[in-house]
Amino acid sequence: QKEVEQNSGPLSVPEGAIASLNCTYSDRGSQSFFWYRQYSGKSPELIMFIYSNGDKEDGRFTAQLNKASQYVSLLIRDSQPSDSATYLCAVGFQGAQKLVFGQGTRLTINP
Amino acid sequence: DVKVTQSSRYLVKRTGEKVFLECVQDMDHENMFWYRQDPGLGLRLIYFSYDVKMKEKGDIPEGYSVSREKKERFSLILESASTNQTSMYLCALSGSNQPQHFGDGTRLSIL
Repeated sequence: QKEVEQNSGPLSVPEGAIASLNCTYSDRGSQSFFWYRQYSGKSPELIMFIYSNGDKEDGRFTAQLNKASQYVSLLIRDSQPSDSATYLCAVGFQGAQKLVFGQGTRLTINP
Repeated sequence: DVKVTQSSRYLVKRTGEKVFLECVQDMDHENMFWYRQDPGLGLRLIYFSYDVKMKEKGDIPEGYSVSREKKERFSLILESASTNQTSMYLCALSGSNQPQHFGDGTRLSIL
C-alpha cells in the first residue's frame, strides 16, 4: 500500500514569513512528486513538481526532495494572505500516470 | 494553458438513477482520470484511461464505470446512484510523463 503522509494542520504563519509544508511517502520506487494548491470549494491547481533530489525554485515557491529520507517539502517565501489554502502533496508512479495524494495541509497566512 | 471541462459544476440526482459525468479536453492528451474527493479521505482515484477505449481501475472502482470512445472525452457512469456516492468528482488529464491538471469539479448530491 503506497502511502503519502502530511500534517493536516492547520498551519498558521504570519504574513511575510516562510511557510514550510512537509510530506513523507512510503514507496522508494516513487519517481515524481507534485504540490497542488486547493482553495476552499475549488479544484486542485498544480504549483510545483520535482523529479530529482535537491531544490527546485519557482518564484516564491521552492520544492525540496530527499529520496533517501523519502521526504518532500514546499517552502513559500514572503507568505501572502492569498496563499491561504490547502496544499496537497502527490507522489507519482508509472511516470506521472498514477498519483497517490496526501490528505493535505491547511495553511493560513495571518495579516 | 491546459483546459479540462467538466459538464456540470453542481448536480442533484435520486438514488437508483444512472448518472453520467462528462469530461472534455482540447489538448490531445493521452491520459485522463476520474477522482472523488471527500472530507477526511482525500483524493481517491476511481478510474483512468491512457488511450481511446482503454481503461484501468483505480483504487475505488466499485459502483462506477467509464467510457472513452473518443480521445477528447472521458465519461464517468454511476450505474445505480447511491447516497454514499455523494461527493466532489474531479477529472484530470496529462500528457505522456507530464503532470496532471484538474477540471473545476462536479459536486454531486444523491438524494
